[in-house]
Amino acid sequence: GAVVSQHPSRVICKSGTSVKIECRSLDFQATTMFWYRQFPKKSLMLMATSNEGSKATYEQGVEKDKFLINHASLTLSTLTVTSAHPEDSSFYICSALAGESYNEQFFGPGTRLTVL
Amino acid sequence: GQNIDQPTEMTATEGAIVQINCTYQTSGFNGLFWYQQHAGEAPTFLSYNVLDGLEEKGRFSSFLSRSKGYSYLLLKELQMKDSASYLCVPLDSNYQLIWGAGTKLIIKP
Repeated sequence: GAVVSQHPSRVICKSGTSVKIECRSLDFQATTMFWYRQFPKKSLMLMATSNEGSKATYEQGVEKDKFLINHASLTLSTLTVTSAHPEDSSFYICSALAGESYNEQFFGPGTRLTVL
Repeated sequence: GQNIDQPTEMTATEGAIVQINCTYQTSGFNGLFWYQQHAGEAPTFLSYNVLDGLEEKGRFSSFLSRSKGYSYLLLKELQMKDSASYLCVPLDSNYQLIWGAGTKLIIKP
């Protein structure tokens, strides 16, 4: 199947700093990628849909100025958590649409963010 | 509103068969995914159903009834590594995935 990578896998940062998370489709081109956030023992929460070459579509309640998404190429989308706070600590997961009908989602391994 | 109903937790024995049921209500419907998620990891795609009926893939099978808003995932010949959460995820009319909390499956020797 299609492979999606994320970098870094774990990051610890100080409150007030910014953190960039990369999501790459390794063996296919992804015009659409999704960014999710998962709290412990909770379901995944869709944060935004990222389309190559255009602005991301954010879900209600997600601050677009705080969670900056850039999908500059067909294989790379980035999520930047700006001015991070401890409540931003979470598991961030990206996924990309693939398959013949673009109806399969392949997920990255996730990034564990801890804000001190 | 949009809603997914799955058992919170199930327990089964190694080598046995288990069926995880899911009922859903969505704004429109464009298919349903089943994902497996091990603790601390991202979900892994298992199956996608868009038409009624049974799709078999090795030890895993998934069934869909659109008129009943019902799906199940059938796992055969259970192995210890099958201990994980299983997520029933319908796709709504906007092609958005609707996530619930999933079913935690515990496999005992």
